[in-house]
Amino acid sequence: DQQVKQNSPSLSVQEGRISILNCDYTNSMFDYFLWYKKYPAEGPTFLISISSIKDKNEDGRFTVFLNKSAKHLSLHIVPSQPGDSAVYFCAASARGAAGNKLTFGGGTRVLVKP
Amino acid sequence: DGGITQSPKYLFRKEGQNVTLSCEQNLNHDAMYWYRQDPGQGLRLIYYSQIVNDFQKGDIAEGYSVSREKKESFPLTVTSAQKNPTAFYLCASTFGQGGNQPQHFGDGTRLSIL
Repeated sequence: DQQVKQNSPSLSVQEGRISILNCDYTNSMFDYFLWYKKYPAEGPTFLISISSIKDKNEDGRFTVFLNKSAKHLSLHIVPSQPGDSAVYFCAASARGAAGNKLTFGGGTRVLVKP
Repeated sequence: DGGITQSPKYLFRKEGQNVTLSCEQNLNHDAMYWYRQDPGQGLRLIYYSQIVNDFQKGDIAEGYSVSREKKESFPLTVTSAQKNPTAFYLCASTFGQGGNQPQHFGDGTRLSIL
């Protein structure tokens, strides 16, 4: 049972345009959501997070939107740059979950074309 | 520089052999985690530890063992009971023992079967 799903395995976007990555979850106990970026043969790098008390969080070119009623979050990257080409994972955790456990989606591979 | 160091970067295991993956952090983080990533998939939690001398099973603990004798170190042993050990293994850590904190990752160890 996949509690966090990224239904688009890949995304191709032109440099300078917007990249929109989507993530759906099923566990209504999740209250903290994160996005990570991963290059091949490296560990994931934390990008941005959002708590369930908010519906939007911005950090530079990255904005995360949370729609709790739809159990959906998205990551917007504007403008996209070639260095953004990587695999992006969304992750979620539940309040009070033992050990601050994160549940990850399967990832979306982004290719930014010059 | 503070960070999480995983070694070795590449590891080969013979049939019936136990191997140990190292994870060291100098971030003064309390909690540490081991994840496994298979090709095209998200990260799955193997074991986690919130404090020294204590650890808990994650979602896929069978065939693995860990220890947490020091705050800085959380080694993972892949035992011969793990029938499909070929994967990319990632270690992570975070402040505190729960709550809304991002986990920070090392650069991983790729384990292959000879």
